[in-house]
Amino acid sequence: DAKTTQPNSMESNEEEPVHLPCNHSTISGTDYIHWYRQLPSQGPEYVIHGLTSNVNNRMASLAIAEDRKSSTLILHRATLRDAAVYYCILRDDSGGSNYKLTFGKGTLLTVNP
Amino acid sequence: GAVVSQHPSRVICKSGTSVKIECRSLDFQATTMFWYRQFPKQSLMLMATSNEGSKATYEQGVEKDKFLINHASLTLSTLTVTSAHPEDSSFYICSARDFGAEQYFGPGTRLTVT
Repeated sequence: DAKTTQPNSMESNEEEPVHLPCNHSTISGTDYIHWYRQLPSQGPEYVIHGLTSNVNNRMASLAIAEDRKSSTLILHRATLRDAAVYYCILRDDSGGSNYKLTFGKGTLLTVNP
Repeated sequence: GAVVSQHPSRVICKSGTSVKIECRSLDFQATTMFWYRQFPKQSLMLMATSNEGSKATYEQGVEKDKFLINHASLTLSTLTVTSAHPEDSSFYICSARDFGAEQYFGPGTRLTVT
């Protein structure tokens, strides 16, 4: 599986933007970049995903480098409820792998009031 | 949005007994379900992938005779931990994929083996 590298932890202040980086230098052409987050004692929650172009949804934005070797998840205004572990995952969407997700260690985001 | 439930949310069992965890997709049909295990302060580890009506595919190092997975319908998969031991105590999470590529996670089941 293609691997990702994320900082172990990041800290932000409430109502400020947060940029969570992810490096994935070995990404292949069929890999989509997925972001999930996990609050304590809960199952992961889908945040956003993309292939090549930047993506926006109601939760976040995803900025993907032109060479696709890195990406950044952007939370435009962090709230205390955004405190979670954020996982950047590459998923082979060619269908051969059943679309399984392999989780790395993720980034623990702390949001200060 | 798509909802996945797990039952029970917490279970305590004695060493040597078996425990079954259910995973249900409530408002969609799941062609594939996945089972993960998560130890404290660690990431999720994929245990197995199951397709409806087929045998589960286990990840390397996961004992298929200890962790029995049944995916009998498009909305239900079960994980049975047989002859549980304290080291099996963990947070078990399932996810379900619909006919597209989206995957939805359950809230998890906390298993404690005493």
